Amino acid sequence: AQRVTQPEKLLSVFKGAPVELKCNYSYSGSPELFWYVQYSRQRLQLLLRHISRESIKGFTADLNKGETSFHLKKPFAQEEDSAMYYCALSRLSYNTDKLIFGTGTRLQVFP
Amino acid sequence: EAGVAQSPRYKIIEKRQSVAFWCNPISGHATLYWYQQILGQGPKLLIQFQNNGVVDDSQLPKDRFSAERLKGVDSTLKIQPAKLEDSAVYLCASKLMGGHEQYFGPGTRLTVT
Repeated sequence: AQRVTQPEKLLSVFKGAPVELKCNYSYSGSPELFWYVQYSRQRLQLLLRHISRESIKGFTADLNKGETSFHLKKPFAQEEDSAMYYCALSRLSYNTDKLIFGTGTRLQVFP
Repeated sequence: EAGVAQSPRYKIIEKRQSVAFWCNPISGHATLYWYQQILGQGPKLLIQFQNNGVVDDSQLPKDRFSAERLKGVDSTLKIQPAKLEDSAVYLCASKLMGGHEQYFGPGTRLTVT
């Protein structure tokens, strides 16, 4: 079964510290992986996806198929990074490309 | 560009009552999704539409949940009758056909007492 696991419910760091939000997945085919973010009182929005290989707001994520991981990293956390982060997997099966979400990790960045 | 609109934003009902949620996707987005997000969990897909056709409703509890997108634009999600375990945030999202990003609405928070 397809599954996304985010082992940490809460991650607290100080401003300027490195951040790594963990995400592991199980999927038998070739998935597309995403990170979505929800800032306080805002709607869920796409942060980045593995295919684009972009760095968004200083965040990067590399798909490691051997370890089935897609960890989100930022070398120097900022207070405005405080938010809820969801890792998600998409599979193209028949006509559906639904997202399968992890349970999320809340990132708190203290000044 | 206007985002995905949802109403109402909050709803409190008693168990066994009925409730309906409305979603207006971004103009031109053919694909529409309804997700259920229970507190402490990630969103879970209930149903996906492509224009006005259903492409995935495998996780929709069809004995009590129904959804429609009659003209391929707006959509409604209905629960009848509601149970306590239906308390959740119901998220609507839309996407351009062939696109990669799902755009989410603000959600409707449902409390069943």
